[in-house]
Amino acid sequence: GDSVTQMEGPVTLSEEAFLTINCTYTATGYPSLFWYVQYPGEGLQLLLKATKADDKGSNKGFEATYRKETTSFHLEKGSVQVSDSAVYFCALSFAGGTSYGKLTFGQGTILTVHP
Amino acid sequence: EAGVVQSPRYKIIEKKQPVAFWCNPISGHNTLYWYLQNLGQGPELLIRYENEEAVDDSQLPKDRFSAERLKGVDSTLKIQPAELGDSAVYLCASSPRTSGSRNNEQFFGPGTRLTVL
Repeated sequence: GDSVTQMEGPVTLSEEAFLTINCTYTATGYPSLFWYVQYPGEGLQLLLKATKADDKGSNKGFEATYRKETTSFHLEKGSVQVSDSAVYFCALSFAGGTSYGKLTFGQGTILTVHP
Repeated sequence: EAGVVQSPRYKIIEKKQPVAFWCNPISGHNTLYWYLQNLGQGPELLIRYENEEAVDDSQLPKDRFSAERLKGVDSTLKIQPAELGDSAVYLCASSPRTSGSRNNEQFFGPGTRLTVL
C-alpha cells in the first residue's frame, strides 16, 4: 500500500540554523504531496503542497520540491525561528480512484528551535 | 471564514462507556473526513463522506465505531463501548468537492482528545 516515511526525530536546532526534514514515499500512482504543521495545542495546518513532478511548494520561508525520480519531498528552511517549533507531517493523496482525497501521513517530526 | 469546529476538545471517560464527537465543517465543503491520531504518530483515516454518503469507511472498526452525517453538513462519530486503546486524538477535516482535481487540500479542526480510563 501507499506509505510515507519521515526522518527520525526529534530535531533540535538553534535559531537561524538551516533545516532539512527528509520525506520519501511509496505509492502506486502519481500522488499530490503535502507538508502539514501542527503547533502545540492546535490542529493540523497545510504548510505547502506540490501536485506534479519538479513542482516546488513554498510558504513562510519553507520549501519542498517534488522529486519523482527519488520519490522524495524533503522540507527545507534556510533560517529557522523559535516560532517554527512544531510537529511537521509529510503526506500524500490521490485526486481520483477509491482513495480520492485520503491523506496518508508520515509519523511526524518534532522540531524544537532554541534561541 | 470560520474553520472546522469540533467539540468537545477534551473528553475523559471510563472504559465500556459510550462517547460521541461532533464536527461542523467549513461552509460549502462537501467532503468530510474523520481521522484518528495516536500519540507520536500521523493521523489515519477512519471514514470519508461525500455529502451524506460514506464513500470510504474501510478503516472504521464497525463493531464499536459508528458515524453519521445527516443532511450532508455536521457529522458525529461515536464509540460504544470505549476501550482503553481508543485513547487518542480524533480529528475532523473538510475539503471542497473538486472531482478529479489534484488540489485536494483538507482543512483540519483542532481535534478531540479522548482519554479512556
